[in-house]
Amino acid sequence: GESVGLHLPTLSVQEGDNSIINCAYSNSASDYFIWYKQESGKGPQFIIDIRSNMDKRQGQRVTVLLNKTVKHLSLQIAATQPGDSAVYFCAEKAREYGNKLVFGAGTILRVKS
Amino acid sequence: DADVTQTPRNRITKTGKRIMLECSQTKGHDRMYWYRQDPGLGLRLIYYSFDVKDINKGEISDGYSVSRQAQAKFSLSLESAIPNQTALYFCATSPRGNEKLFFGSGTQLSVL
Repeated sequence: GESVGLHLPTLSVQEGDNSIINCAYSNSASDYFIWYKQESGKGPQFIIDIRSNMDKRQGQRVTVLLNKTVKHLSLQIAATQPGDSAVYFCAEKAREYGNKLVFGAGTILRVKS
Repeated sequence: DADVTQTPRNRITKTGKRIMLECSQTKGHDRMYWYRQDPGLGLRLIYYSFDVKDINKGEISDGYSVSRQAQAKFSLSLESAIPNQTALYFCATSPRGNEKLFFGSGTQLSVL
């Protein structure tokens, strides 16, 4: 899951396995959530988003799950590939934040071949 | 994202110097943002602009200023750089009414 500090949580998975990256968000009033992928030397890239009126959304090889009861967001990547190795960030939006995205610290995903 | 271009990609400067980081976009988005990323921390918002006449402070604006010269250009200045401003800086854009951000490739700034 996400944490603040110098040491990001790391998830190591075997190529071909499914990955689940977790995020605990802070504001129960947040109404929009988004996942970004950041590869080394690059800017964050959009992966998938979800609004608070949904609990699941699927994209190509990715699924985002939202559990508002426990304020938990997860990103599932099917059949993980070496190119999925990156830092993954979740972000939430709430009126309390001026309707701007607030980002978590990130999780490192390492894919072993 | 090649549509959001940041210059320079890397910059080394000395304490006390004034420097400017530039961002230009070809996406036609109204909204532009400057974020800072430190190792092990998430992206933190410095300033944002919803159109050419609009400038707003983010959560960590002290020591920074911005200029929105045109819809496509948003520059970030450090008036008197200090070592703890060493970080990776990202410019981002978004269209009006859409929360999704599109990021540039970043500028790595080192203040000695």
